[in-house]
Amino acid sequence: GQQLNQSPQSMFIQEGEDVSMNCTSSSIFNTWLWYKQDPGEGPVLLIALYKAGELTSNGRLTAQFGITRKDSFLNISASIPSDVGIYFCAGSGNAGGTSYGKLTFGQGTILTVHP
Amino acid sequence: ETGVTQSPTHLIKTRGQQVTLRCSSQSGHNTVSWYQQALGQGPQFIFQYYREEENGRGNFPPRFSGLQFPNYSSELNVNALELDDSALYLCASSLGASGNTIYFGEGSWLTVV
Repeated sequence: GQQLNQSPQSMFIQEGEDVSMNCTSSSIFNTWLWYKQDPGEGPVLLIALYKAGELTSNGRLTAQFGITRKDSFLNISASIPSDVGIYFCAGSGNAGGTSYGKLTFGQGTILTVHP
Repeated sequence: ETGVTQSPTHLIKTRGQQVTLRCSSQSGHNTVSWYQQALGQGPQFIFQYYREEENGRGNFPPRFSGLQFPNYSSELNVNALELDDSALYLCASSLGASGNTIYFGEGSWLTVV
């Protein structure tokens, strides 16, 4: 099935460093969502973006909805050990509005934070 | 805690058998979607249920079927299980078929041997 192109695939960083990951698509989406998934658990919603150009923060997390509606990025500032996990981007609501509620996911970014 | 609950959490089935997975949506959410997540991959959309009817389907064969009940809970049924069906099955709920804020349950781990 279709997936978004998410990069990097993995990151190894030191505690306190900032992290940036991004997602691109060949299709336009009307909503971009960022999730974090811990091993053996379901994805947890971090940030939802509803408007092209929108910049939204949630604590140390900041995400932006690209102006072309084909990309999004997520930044994590001052990383801590509990940030470890897999981060997924997801797009919803392709042009035409026929697929709201259906999420198309990226392949995930595995984040490791060394204390 | 998303309020989306799934059962069972883990199960093992034999190839050719049938399985039913269950999901209770977050309070007030009338739309349920199901996703399959293979190891090392992002979740893949199976189908969505809204007002007790299938409302969109991904690239999955007909042996994957579902139900939604009047209380908005849902079931995913998979017939004639294959080894490749081994995966984490995730249920997600949202408000309305156009709901863009989607919350996931913890998932049901299915192993087919």
